[in-house]
Amino acid sequence: QVQLEQSGAEVKKPGSSVKVSCKASGGSLSFNTISWVRQVPGQGLEWMGRTIPILGIGFYAQKFQARVTITADKSTNTAYLELSSLRFEDTAVYYCARERAQVSFDPWGQGTLVTVSS
Amino acid sequence: QSVLTQPPSVSGAPGQRITISCTGNNSNIGANYDVHWYQQLPGTAPKLLIYDNTKRPSGVPDRFSGSKSGASASLAITGLQADDEADYYCQSYDNSLNICVFGGGTKLTVL
Repeated sequence: QVQLEQSGAEVKKPGSSVKVSCKASGGSLSFNTISWVRQVPGQGLEWMGRTIPILGIGFYAQKFQARVTITADKSTNTAYLELSSLRFEDTAVYYCARERAQVSFDPWGQGTLVTVSS
Repeated sequence: QSVLTQPPSVSGAPGQRITISCTGNNSNIGANYDVHWYQQLPGTAPKLLIYDNTKRPSGVPDRFSGSKSGASASLAITGLQADDEADYYCQSYDNSLNICVFGGGTKLTVL
C-alpha cells in the first residue's frame, strides 16, 4: 500500500518561494500520478496540479500556472510542489495525493502548513 | 465559489440517516464524469470515502453509500454515529476548466 509522507511546516515571507516534498513508500512513484491540493484555513479543497513521473511532465490549474512547479524525482520516490511569489493568501495546508483512475485521490499525505507572514 | 455545490451543513441524531447533495453542471458531473466523496475529520487529511459514484474503498463501512443522477450526486450515511462528525467533500472533473473540482464541503453535526 502506497503511503505519502510530507515535509514539515514552513514560514515564508511574501514574495519568496516554498518547496514542499511528498515521499512515497510501499510503492514506486513512477507508476502513479501525484496531485497537489491546498486548503486555506477554514475553507474548502482546491486542486493545484499534478505530475506524471513516468512522463516527467506536470499539468497545472490556470489559477496557479504562472507560479507553480510540480516535479518528481524517481530515484528518491519523492514529488515536489514549488510555489513562488508567495502572497499572504497562500497561507494554507498543502496536501499531496495519489491520483487514481477516474481522477479520485487516495491516499493523501498528512499535509504541510505553509504560513506566509512578514 | 466552488464549481460543485454542497449544503454548508447538515445534522442528524445518532442512528438517523442523512444525505448530502452535490450539484454540478454539464461540464462536470453532467458530462458523465465520476463523483468521489471524502471525509475530513478535524485536523486531519481528507480520506477517500466513496469513489466512482458508488464504490467503497476497503474498510469503509456500508453505512456510507453514494449515488449519481444527471448533474447531481448524493452521499448517504445511515445509522449516524458520533464519530461521523466531519466535513464531507464531493469531487469530480470539469472539462471546460480542465481541472479537478471540489464542492465547498458540508459540515456534518451529530446531535
